Amino acid sequence: QSVLTQPPSVSGAPGQRVTISCTGSSSNIGAGYDVHWYQQLPGTAPKLLIYGNSNRPSGVPDRFSGFNSGTSASLAITGLQAEDEADYYCQSYDSSLSGSVFGGGTKLTVL
Amino acid sequence: EVQLVQSGAEVKKPGESLRISCKGSGYSFTNYWIGWVRQMPGKGLEWMGIIHPADSDTRYSPSFQGQVTFSADKSISTASLQWSSLKASDTAMYYCAREAPSARGGFDIWGQGTMVTVSS
Repeated sequence: QSVLTQPPSVSGAPGQRVTISCTGSSSNIGAGYDVHWYQQLPGTAPKLLIYGNSNRPSGVPDRFSGFNSGTSASLAITGLQAEDEADYYCQSYDSSLSGSVFGGGTKLTVL
Repeated sequence: EVQLVQSGAEVKKPGESLRISCKGSGYSFTNYWIGWVRQMPGKGLEWMGIIHPADSDTRYSPSFQGQVTFSADKSISTASLQWSSLKASDTAMYYCAREAPSARGGFDIWGQGTMVTVSS
């Protein structure tokens, strides 16, 4: 049971917009600690998708965006493509644990 | 090319010891924290902790404190994760990753992973 809660799964049709939530608390996201998002394609290592809440590393399409509100963060994917089918994880620092934590992960299915 | 290359898959018996490694190249190894992440079969990512290769300053997740040991040898740009007595529940994929200040603490470079299987 992670301190960052994500929905186990989300789905959408090609071209649609989906969002993945990451719900935390006052000891992590709500305290202002940065949230990072990772994409893990089947059988591969995770890849940094969004860092510092809303920043995209070089090479990540602008179809991916991140935003925070209170004790939650969200990842939005627009113009959904088949290649986006993957597991997505949020990460933040937690002051009560004195370390970083990952969300439980969300499996995105492109219908 | 900036990369982290991990050692190969391991198959061990319960009670055995093990050290896996993560070698950095293409950047100044002593300038970045290295993190370790566990992924049990079919499960999510778990943050195990981080080590700074310059001085071996180490932070462990409470869940892994006392269960594993991180080390780093800056002379060969290599970080290591070790167990003194493996358990079947240690069976997992283990990733090392670079924590980048330019990514505000996100892990921007990942190793390919080392699969550890513990079975009698």
